[in-house]
Amino acid sequence: EPEVTQTPSHQVTQMGQEVILRCVPISNHLYFYWYRQILGQKVEFLVSFYNNEISEKSEIFDDQFSVERPDGSNFTLKIRSTKLEDSAMYFCASTEWTSSSGNTIYFGEGSWLTVV
Amino acid sequence: SQKIEQNSEALNIQEGKTATLTCNYTNYSPAYLQWYRQDPGRGPVFLLLIRENEKEKRKERLKVTFDTTLKQSLFHITASQPADSATYLCALEGGGNKLTFGTGTQLKVEL
Repeated sequence: EPEVTQTPSHQVTQMGQEVILRCVPISNHLYFYWYRQILGQKVEFLVSFYNNEISEKSEIFDDQFSVERPDGSNFTLKIRSTKLEDSAMYFCASTEWTSSSGNTIYFGEGSWLTVV
Repeated sequence: SQKIEQNSEALNIQEGKTATLTCNYTNYSPAYLQWYRQDPGRGPVFLLLIRENEKEKRKERLKVTFDTTLKQSLFHITASQPADSATYLCALEGGGNKLTFGTGTQLKVEL
């Protein structure tokens, strides 16, 4: 079964450093998402992306975050200057299409970011 | 504000019994609701989607109900097995095709 792949699986970075998390969505999918989950807390929406632009973003997704689809397969999340509170598991997700009646969203296995 | 509540306490049941997990929501009228399974350190895995005009959905040993009047969904696993032990997440359509997740309920199926 096709899957969303994410790299790295785990990254440790110093506070203030830039981090790029990479994702390869399922190949025929058109809608892409980033979610995050702080340890012991719920999965939270960060941003959705379609047709090479952000569709929607949450209040968490401030100016230090950015997303990009640099080529036909990768989808990246960049955190410009990491803070301790950015430590979390970051999930990439994709779906083939969307509608008001919903569709299956496929999640990757996550990238665990530790900011020290 | 919108709120999604799942039992924060873990649910322990014996193998073979039916597990029932609850998802309640307030200040919200979602067009659909989804249930996901999450294992420790892994990403959520989609299980079932139920739409606002559907009362019940089944998939193998899984059954989901959706009561828009009570603002509640129930998730049932029949003939539970130790392999069903995981955290189960309720997720509601949050507008703009994003999902808003509950905190999840941890299920442990014992031999």
